[in-house]
Amino acid sequence: DAKTTQPNSMESNEEEPVHLPCNHSTISGTDYIHWYRQLPSQGPEYVIHGLTSNVNNRMASLAIAEDRKSSTLILHRATLRDAAVYYCILREESLGSARQLTFGSGTQLTVLP
Amino acid sequence: GAVVSQHPSRVICKSGTSVKIECRSLDFQATTMFWYRQFPKQSLMLMATSNEGSKATYEQGVEKDKFLINHASLTLSTLTVTSAHPEDSSFYICSAGDGDQPQHFGDGTRLSIL
Repeated sequence: DAKTTQPNSMESNEEEPVHLPCNHSTISGTDYIHWYRQLPSQGPEYVIHGLTSNVNNRMASLAIAEDRKSSTLILHRATLRDAAVYYCILREESLGSARQLTFGSGTQLTVLP
Repeated sequence: GAVVSQHPSRVICKSGTSVKIECRSLDFQATTMFWYRQFPKQSLMLMATSNEGSKATYEQGVEKDKFLINHASLTLSTLTVTSAHPEDSSFYICSAGDGDQPQHFGDGTRLSIL
């Protein structure tokens, strides 16, 4: 699986937007960009994923660079409950079968009240 | 609500005990489920891929005779840690997904071996 690079940690103030960067310079054409987050003592939780176009859902937005070598997860208004480790993961198109996720070290997001 | 249920959430037992962890997909059928292990301050590491009706596929360095995986139905996979020792203490997490859909994770099982 292609590798991703994320900052070890970031801080944000509550109710402000947060931009979490991810570099994936060796991404292949069939790799989807997935973001998961893990709250303390819980299993990871799916956040968002995309291939080429920017994506929005109720949790976050995903901005994908035109060359697809980087992406940014955007939390529009951070809350204390968003404090978690955020993982950026590349997942090859599976053509119907489930594929495992390879987790890097992620970004520990701290939200300050 | 949770689409993958993992049980138990916490186990504390003596060295030498075998411990079984269950992972259930609640509203979809999962031909494949995954088992991960996470040590404190570290990321998740894939242990094995559980395949319904066939043998599990283990990652390099994971002892198949110690970590027994059974995937007897499309909604249930079990991980049994046999003769557990303190070094097996960890956070065990399962996941399942419906084909191309994002993976859903259980809430994890914190295993503490005394």
